[in-house]
Formats: sequence, structure tokens, C-alpha cells
Amino acid sequence: EMQLLESGGGLVQPGGSLRLSCAASRFTFSSYAMSWVRQAPGKGLEWVSGISDSGGNTYYADSVKGRFTITRDNSKNTLYLQMNSLRAEDTAVYHCTKGWGRYPYGVFDVWGQGTMVTVSS
Amino acid sequence: QSVLTQPPSASGTPGQRVTISCSGSSSNIGSNTVNWYQQLPGTAPKLLIYSGNQRPSGVPDRFSGSKSGTSASLAISGLQSEDEADYYCAAWDDSLNGQVFGGGTKLTVL
Repeated sequence: EMQLLESGGGLVQPGGSLRLSCAASRFTFSSYAMSWVRQAPGKGLEWVSGISDSGGNTYYADSVKGRFTITRDNSKNTLYLQMNSLRAEDTAVYHCTKGWGRYPYGVFDVWGQGTMVTVSS
Repeated sequence: QSVLTQPPSASGTPGQRVTISCSGSSSNIGSNTVNWYQQLPGTAPKLLIYSGNQRPSGVPDRFSGSKSGTSASLAISGLQSEDEADYYCAAWDDSLNGQVFGGGTKLTVL
């Protein structure tokens, strides 16, 4: 069964930084687009960022553009999300998701359990 | 405010058929496929319907999807207690160059 395991969440002060990681297993990581989707406490799902299979194309929600950076290391089967200038409204569970094709235009068919990020002083 | 609009809640009794709507625009539902996700309490979301009306293996045929113009619907027939969950629609948005989700619909089985 394909698996995604996120790590790196925690408590950070407003304006601080955090880097999330997502370790993928049991599928050919380098063949698929990946994305981050977050869910604030008691709220709905919000797509944050996506990256193509090679890492050459990246996409961001307006709410995080210029502050977050998505990258991947296909040799390590790992997806990353570097989060800078964090705000209280970034507080959420961050899920790593696998796409079906080379670009993050469509389906998220595998989801990780998520890692909690809390931005508070 | 979500780009895709869903009713915040829906309900039905066991055995009933319920539908959940998802309204968008020409830049998302109108030009791209719609996918639906089910989130059971305390768990990660799970893909339920893709490309508008296709079910991944393991999803019962009680679940079906449809699309017309800039709107989509999820139908659940033969409602069961284990269907009680939050349901989200999603699609790529060509104008925003990103994925957009509906606000989610909480389904209660009475």
C-alpha cells in the first residue's frame, strides 16, 4: 500500500520558519506530482502548493505565495515545504498528497495523516 | 470564502438517497474534471470520486458523481450510518493556476 508520512510540524512564533517533510514509500515517487493540502482546526480543506514530477514546475495558493517554497528530492523519495514568515492563519494540519500524473492538476489519490503546525506567541 | 460552493450540511435516514451540490465557474468546474473526497471523523481525506463520475477500487457503487456546466453533484444511495462524514469537491482552476476545494458538506445520518 502506498504511504506518505509527514514530519516537521510544531509550535512556532509568528514570523518564524518551519520545514515540513513527507517521506513516500511503495510507489515510484519520481513519476508523480505531489501537493500539500492544509486544514485549519474545525475548517475545510485548502490546497497550499503543488509540484511536478521532476520538480521543474511549482504552483502556490495566493495565500502562501512568496512565503512558502515546495521542493522535492526524488533520490530520497521526499517532498518538502519550507514555510517562512508564518502567520497565525497558517495554523493547520498539513497533509502531503500524491497526484495521478506528472502535474498537480487533478486527483489526490493518496493522503498522509498530516502534521500539525501551530503559529502562536 | 471557498471558490467552490457546497451546502454546509446535509442529512438523511438509512436507506435514503442524498445529493450534495458543488457550484463553481467556467475556470474550474466548467473546464476541468471534478473530484470528491470523503473525510471520516478524525481521519485524513480519502478519494471518493474522480473525473466526475469514476470510483476508485473499493468505493461502493452507492456513490456516484455527475457534472453539468459549472456545477457538479455527489449522490449517495442506500445511505448507511458509516457514510456520516465530511464531503469535499475539488477541481483545478485555470485562472488561479491551482486546485480549489469546496467548503465541505457535513453529512449526518439520522
